[in-house]
Amino acid sequence: GAGVSQSPRYKVAKRGQDVALRCDPISGHVSLFWYQQALGQGPEFLTYFQNEAQLDKSGLPSDRFFAERPEGSVSTLKIQRTQQEDSAVYLCASSFSGRGHPLPYHYNEQFFGPGTRLTVL
Amino acid sequence: QQQVKQSPQSLIVQKGGISIINCAYENTAFDYFPWYQQFPGKGPALLIAIRPDVSEKKEGRFTISFNKSAKQFSLHIMDSQPGDSATYFCAAYPGGTSYGKLTFGQGTILTVHP
Repeated sequence: GAGVSQSPRYKVAKRGQDVALRCDPISGHVSLFWYQQALGQGPEFLTYFQNEAQLDKSGLPSDRFFAERPEGSVSTLKIQRTQQEDSAVYLCASSFSGRGHPLPYHYNEQFFGPGTRLTVL
Repeated sequence: QQQVKQSPQSLIVQKGGISIINCAYENTAFDYFPWYQQFPGKGPALLIAIRPDVSEKKEGRFTISFNKSAKQFSLHIMDSQPGDSATYFCAAYPGGTSYGKLTFGQGTILTVHP
């Protein structure tokens, strides 16, 4: 596919359940980002990968949130023991370049997937 | 801490009118300012972006105006069309050699009536 894909598109979980959200970035993109978008709000940064290395996880709201990108392509965001406040749309984005690559700005353009809407009951 | 403030929250415009959305930022480390358009059920898509060394950038009906001293920037949509109805987000990040962690505004829901 030409764009970023995410699965599942919708997930309903009971409070306390663990969930795993998948992101397939654009092939060849070095950088991968996860954002959380609460209803009626702008996306908020969660974590950043450059290839398989997680270089920034400062936005993860608690230690219940864990992300990985073991082979530098597909990424999974895992939320353990889900809470109602975790209900949001989780967006994945990828970009061609990574940190330390002084390319023109448009190479840093982030392409977003459609998101996974998580509802915790 | 809200580093990018966006207004208004919602905007209703008649077809053919001008839509104006404003943003203000606090962090002087920001040096790249993109605008994103988001339709329901879709992820944000880059619309237009500006660097702070220019005061205005125009692409078709979309124009960004940038005031570095005031730390403010705005999006103008000329000849607004019903198909422009969407949520618009301003954003900012330190570009160059940084990895581009985006900070978004709260969003503006634009409705263009036919």
